[in-house]
Amino acid sequence: DAGVTQSPTHLIKTRGQHVTLRCSPISGHKSVSWYQQVLGQGPQFIFQYYEKEERGRGNFPDRFSARQFPNYSSELNVNALLLGDSALYLCASSLGVTGGVKNQPQHFGDGTRLSIL
Amino acid sequence: AQRVTQPEKLLSVFKGAPVELKCNYSYSGSPELFWYVQYSRQRLQLLLRHISRESIKGFTADLNKGETSFHLKKPFAQEEDSAMYYCALSLKQFYFGTGTSLTVIP
Repeated sequence: DAGVTQSPTHLIKTRGQHVTLRCSPISGHKSVSWYQQVLGQGPQFIFQYYEKEERGRGNFPDRFSARQFPNYSSELNVNALLLGDSALYLCASSLGVTGGVKNQPQHFGDGTRLSIL
Repeated sequence: AQRVTQPEKLLSVFKGAPVELKCNYSYSGSPELFWYVQYSRQRLQLLLRHISRESIKGFTADLNKGETSFHLKKPFAQEEDSAMYYCALSLKQFYFGTGTSLTVIP
């Protein structure tokens, strides 16, 4: 089992650019969540998708968007990048939607390290 | 407001000593709580969940609804326990604490 895979591992962008991050969930998992982790903080929830539909959104601006594909993989898009978007972006997968199935954990990928210059 | 609070950013203990990593949560209902661990150069991984009431790698965590706490404990710390530990609360989304970096001194 390859686990959750994310690409790319590192990315350097400049302010104002846009970025697309990709995630493949564990086989059989239908839900994908995205988190932002800045240095010294825990992961902050951005989105959750289940069966291609958005099922939760954190407190992030509209510059952040995501989608999920029929094979359950997912993309996170960030437009008009700001210096403050520099962070580790984590993808996590689970069998079902958070709050739907009791006590199911999130399984994390290694993350994409995004640096904004 | 923070849903999950981990008051200690850094914690150092000697090998063989007991260790307790504190976690307090903010939720009035029946919580779903988890501990995650991140070893050096590895991904964030599930350590244990309160519903399982099991011991993983010698760690246990007891839910105390009265104190809204879910502290992680191990009676005898080992060097390989050195890692970053995150407490998490699952509601409609996951809320993570800021983490505690545990160092076990040989």
